[in-house]
Amino acid sequence: EPEVTQTPSHQVTQMGQEVILRCVPISNHLYFYWYRQILGQKVEFLVSFYNNEISEKSEIFDDQFSVERPDGSNFTLKIRSTKLEDSAMYFCASSTADSFFGYTFGSGTRLTVV
Amino acid sequence: AQSVTQLDSHVSVSEGTPVLLRCNYSSSYSPSLFWYVQHPNKGLQLLLKYTSAATLVKGINGFEAEFKKSETSFHLTKPSAHMSDAAEYFCVVIRMDSSYKLIFGSGTRLLVRP
Repeated sequence: EPEVTQTPSHQVTQMGQEVILRCVPISNHLYFYWYRQILGQKVEFLVSFYNNEISEKSEIFDDQFSVERPDGSNFTLKIRSTKLEDSAMYFCASSTADSFFGYTFGSGTRLTVV
Repeated sequence: AQSVTQLDSHVSVSEGTPVLLRCNYSSSYSPSLFWYVQHPNKGLQLLLKYTSAATLVKGINGFEAEFKKSETSFHLTKPSAHMSDAAEYFCVVIRMDSSYKLIFGSGTRLLVRP
């Protein structure tokens, strides 16, 4: 069964450092997403991406965040200058044009900012 | 605006007894609803989906959910709990606009006692 692959599974970084979280969505999917889950809290939407541009972003997704699909297969989330409150599990997801099927999520990257 | 409310933060059952995880939704039009499961330190796995076809939806691992418009509910059930069902369960509604954003409930942690 096709999978969404995320790397790394865990990342520890110092406050103020840049991090890049990587995702390989399912190949025939057209919509790509990042969600995050702070420990003990709800899963929150960060950003959606379609046709090589952001289609929607949440208020969390400020100027410190950016997304890219550099080579047609990878989908990355960059945090330019990490803060302690960015510590969370970050999930990448992708879906077909018909999202009635639901998303396929990756297994997540646990980011710890120290 | 769409939203989902999970009525119980924790549910504890004995192995072999029925499971009921409750979810109410709010939507200005016919919603698409999902249940996702998250096992400890794992990603989000789609259990089942409702997309305005049959109101009783069967999912993986013996779970099912019934869409009840009159009660605005989409409760998740399983006739007989297994130890491996212990996990966090999320009721989710999809926003059917250009972003197809998922809106998560706060989650219900299912504990299964031997």
